[in-house]
Amino acid sequence: DQQVKQNSPSLSVQEGRISILNCDYTNSMFDYFLWYKKYPAEGPTFLISISSIKDKNEDGRFTVFLNKSAKHLSLHIVPSQPGDSAVYFCAALDQTGANNLFFGTGTRLTVIP
Amino acid sequence: DADVTQTPRNRITKTGKRIMLECSQTKGHDRMYWYRQDPGLGLRLIYYSFDVKDINKGEISDGYSVSRQAQAKFSLSLESAIPNQTALYFCATTDRAGTGELFFGEGSRLTVL
Repeated sequence: DQQVKQNSPSLSVQEGRISILNCDYTNSMFDYFLWYKKYPAEGPTFLISISSIKDKNEDGRFTVFLNKSAKHLSLHIVPSQPGDSAVYFCAALDQTGANNLFFGTGTRLTVIP
Repeated sequence: DADVTQTPRNRITKTGKRIMLECSQTKGHDRMYWYRQDPGLGLRLIYYSFDVKDINKGEISDGYSVSRQAQAKFSLSLESAIPNQTALYFCATTDRAGTGELFFGEGSRLTVL
């Protein structure tokens, strides 16, 4: 069972416009959420996170929004740049003893110059 | 040089063969992880280790074993490889317990024929 879901496998956006990547989760015990970015032939790199006590976290062009009641989070990139083209993974943290991360299936973002 | 190094980067092997994927890190982190990535499934946790004497099974440990030879080294073994173990394997480390912020290696692509 996929506890973290990214229903859009791909997204194309024009340079300078907003990119919105979505993520849904099923386990209400998740209380910390992260986005990772992955370029081809590289490992994922941490991008931004949010605690469940917040509904928004911003870091430069990147903002993550959390809607706990809907079990939904989103990543906004404004303005989008060609260098943002990558696969983005949503992840949720299980803060029991293992601190295990549960990853979504990823969304491939293409920013068109 | 990468902080988290995986070898080999690519490997093709045959069903029934024993294969070892190695991970070494220069970050001085105690926590190390092995994940596998499959198309449409995201990243799933195979094994993790919080220190040299600590080994724990993850979500999909069947068919795999690990060895934590030192703080800096964490190896993943497939005792008898099978085709459905064809995947991209990632090693990750962290010193940020409870945050989900992992530092990933570049990945090892394994093909089992």
